[in-house]
Amino acid sequence: DAKTTQPNSMESNEEEPVHLPCNHSTISGTDYIHWYRQLPSQGPEYVIHGLTSNVNNRMASLAIAEDRKSSTLILHRATLRDAAVYYCILTAGYSTLTFGKGTMLLVSP
Amino acid sequence: GAGVSQSPSNKVTEKGKDVELRCDPISGHTALYWYRQSLGQGLEFLIYFQGNSAPDKSGLPSDRFSAERTGGSVSTLTIQRTQQEDSAVYLCASSLAVGRYNEQFFGPGTRLTVL
Repeated sequence: DAKTTQPNSMESNEEEPVHLPCNHSTISGTDYIHWYRQLPSQGPEYVIHGLTSNVNNRMASLAIAEDRKSSTLILHRATLRDAAVYYCILTAGYSTLTFGKGTMLLVSP
Repeated sequence: GAGVSQSPSNKVTEKGKDVELRCDPISGHTALYWYRQSLGQGLEFLIYFQGNSAPDKSGLPSDRFSAERTGGSVSTLTIQRTQQEDSAVYLCASSLAVGRYNEQFFGPGTRLTVL
């Protein structure tokens, strides 16, 4: 499976935008890019996914580089509730999710 | 509607005992997945079901682990002769179908502690 690389942690202030990067230089043409997040003491929660085009939903936006070797999850206005570990995952074959260590997002009031 | 539910939420057992963990997926979801998360570790895939069949069991860490799904709904993960290294949070997820783009919905997990 293609692997992803994310920073271990990032910090943000409440109500500011947050850009969480992910590198996936070995992505194949049929891999989808998924983002999940895990709040403390909870199971992971789906955030967004995309293939080639940028995507928007009520939670976030996903910006995918033209060569698909990297992507950025954008939280437009961070809240305290957004403090979580964010996982960038590529899915290939059947849809098992291979979680890495993710990025721990800290949000300050 | 109801999400994925798991029971028990917490289980403490003694080394060598067998345990059963239960997962109730979202109604209508044909795909079901088991993962585990050890303290300070990432999530590790264990097994998935498409309907009642499990095409890939390679993620199960040892032959002490088994899982079944009956009626295309409820699934049970069984750990025989538990060891201390089995202590972890066991997470279940379901999705409408198996596929690269199907969103997985996770349950709250079962925290297993083996003394």
